[in-house]
Amino acid sequence: GQQLNQSPQSMFIQEGEDVSMNCTSSSIFNTWLWYKQDPGEGPVLLIALYKAGELTSNGRLTAQFGITRKDSFLNISASIPSDVGIYFCAGHGRSNSSSGSARQLTFGSGTQLTVLP
Amino acid sequence: DVKVTQSSRYLVKRTGEKVFLECVQDMDHENMFWYRQDPGLGLRLIYFSYDVKMKEKGDIPEGYSVSREKKERFSLILESASTNQTSMYLCASRRSNTYEQYFGPGTRLTVT
Repeated sequence: GQQLNQSPQSMFIQEGEDVSMNCTSSSIFNTWLWYKQDPGEGPVLLIALYKAGELTSNGRLTAQFGITRKDSFLNISASIPSDVGIYFCAGHGRSNSSSGSARQLTFGSGTQLTVLP
Repeated sequence: DVKVTQSSRYLVKRTGEKVFLECVQDMDHENMFWYRQDPGLGLRLIYFSYDVKMKEKGDIPEGYSVSREKKERFSLILESASTNQTSMYLCASRRSNTYEQYFGPGTRLTVT
């Protein structure tokens, strides 16, 4: 099945620094999503990407759909303490399978972000 | 805004008990999902539903069942809870023509 590798697994940064994280897939994806999960809460959708090369911003967050269709990147500029949390990528790729599972998302393992004052 | 609510934030049950986790969404979404989230294992799909009374198994359906009698409500049932079902349970929903899933706040279930 489709697999997603998300890196880094964790990051410790100083407040004010920029952050970059990425996801790569073993196959071509046609949708990339980025979520943030605060401790003890459910994931919240940050950005959705649907076209190769697409660059989309949401405040200080910018995400890109890689041109190879096998990767995506999330950047956070000028980090602040409330950026702390786990960031997940999720994607959906083409599949020849007609089963229901082929229509579901594949999730990355998450990047744990810690912002130090 | 999409709102997905889950009946309990925290739940403690005993081994062998029947457990019901309820999820409600208010955006008329066709599709609903149940995941469990465990450290080091990420999000794993238990069951999903494309429409009322329709359900399909996800990656780890063993020990679980689901019910979707109304479009806005999707229930996860643990017929006989076991300690290895201690986990964070997340419900999500989406429109059928998009892949954007919206999650509830989660239910932290502990089985003792």
